[in-house]
Amino acid sequence: EAGVAQSPRYKIIEKRQSVAFWCNPISGHATLYWYQQILGQGPKLLIQFQNNGVVDDSQLPKDRFSAERLKGVDSTLKIQPAKLEDSAVYLCASSLDRRTDTQYFGPGTRLTVL
Amino acid sequence: GENVEQHPSTLSVQEGDSAVIKCTYSDSASNYFPWYKQELGKRPQLIIDIRSNVGEKKDQRIAVTLNKTAKHFSLHITETQPEDSAVYFCAARGTYKYIFGTGTRLKVLA
Repeated sequence: EAGVAQSPRYKIIEKRQSVAFWCNPISGHATLYWYQQILGQGPKLLIQFQNNGVVDDSQLPKDRFSAERLKGVDSTLKIQPAKLEDSAVYLCASSLDRRTDTQYFGPGTRLTVL
Repeated sequence: GENVEQHPSTLSVQEGDSAVIKCTYSDSASNYFPWYKQELGKRPQLIIDIRSNVGEKKDQRIAVTLNKTAKHFSLHITETQPEDSAVYFCAARGTYKYIFGTGTRLKVLA
């Protein structure tokens, strides 16, 4: 079974630039999560999708972050404009559905904002 | 808001000794408690989990205990080995949402 795929794996940008991350969940998984993991901290949920609908985006900084999952499969997370404090690893995870407990993580995208 | 506290933040043990990591959660609706191991530069990997209707679960050298009344759960690793060295995260799932602890860096000294 293929795992959760993410790209790019690494990205370096300057502050005020824009960046986008892509995630492809495990086939058949209806629930998709985006997490931000700052160095030395636990993952923090940014947004959760159930198919193409948003279940929770209460911790998403909506003035600069946006995410979509138009066809209920792949998802993109965008930051525009980036700030220094956005430097982190962005992890995508998926689960069979929101009632199924186990979530599987992708390898993450390490973002450095200079 | 909901949060999960995790202690200690760092833990060093001698190879062969036991390690215990503790977490406390605030959301009484939490019903699922996974533990993840994260090696440097890698993704979190699920190592064991427990549901709210169970008090203890064991898988070889790893065990998890849950006290719902006190709202805390613990990870126990026995006979530690150097390859157990990593950062461990606990998490609690409330209504569809996971809250993670701040992590424990475990070092197993050979």
